[in-house]
Amino acid sequence: DAKTTQPPSMDCAEGRAANLPCNHSTISGNEYVYWYRQIHSQGPQYIIHGLKNNETNEMASLIITEDRKSSTLILPHATLRDTAVYYCIVRVNTDKLIFGTGTRLQVFP
Amino acid sequence: DAGVIQSPRHEVTEMGQEVTLRCKLISGHNSLFWYRQTMMRGLELLIYFNNNVPIDDSGMPEDRFSAKMPNASFSTLKIQPSEPRDSAVYFCASSNLGYTEAFFGQGTRLTVV
Repeated sequence: DAKTTQPPSMDCAEGRAANLPCNHSTISGNEYVYWYRQIHSQGPQYIIHGLKNNETNEMASLIITEDRKSSTLILPHATLRDTAVYYCIVRVNTDKLIFGTGTRLQVFP
Repeated sequence: DAGVIQSPRHEVTEMGQEVTLRCKLISGHNSLFWYRQTMMRGLELLIYFNNNVPIDDSGMPEDRFSAKMPNASFSTLKIQPSEPRDSAVYFCASSNLGYTEAFFGQGTRLTVV
């Protein structure tokens, strides 16, 4: 019952910005947008989250549209180590964390 | 803190045997999630606990699966009897209730032959 839609795969050149889109048209007012990633054979790793304002941390930036129906995760300077599956999740903070199929990002030299 | 610790990292067992997977939460965390990951089905939530109480076990595939939190820092996931279709990577994750970030362990790769 994932509430998000993501492209199955994307490519990005090393050093360039990777822009990963996510649609969440049924998001509720109290649901946050979360991003996690999973590098091959490791456990998922939290990246960033936001409610309605754009957010930035040391890993990435999150841009949420004004109507909150979609968002974009931006990795400003992708490296080969950013190759992973990226999951966009919407949830209330105290609720369960449900993963969809995610976007497989391949960063190439 | 060493993070979420899962054991064993790899388990190979014969069909019909009991399997117990273990998870140690990060100190102070009070939410615990168990996931299963396969190529076909992706990352599935099996069960999650808040303050040692199971909140939602709707993802537990059948009665052969059971999960417990005997104390605030430790959890077990038991499969009895195991079947080949249970082969997967099992992850646990912990977080602070109401906080935003869940921390995942490195997983247990289970193979049932």
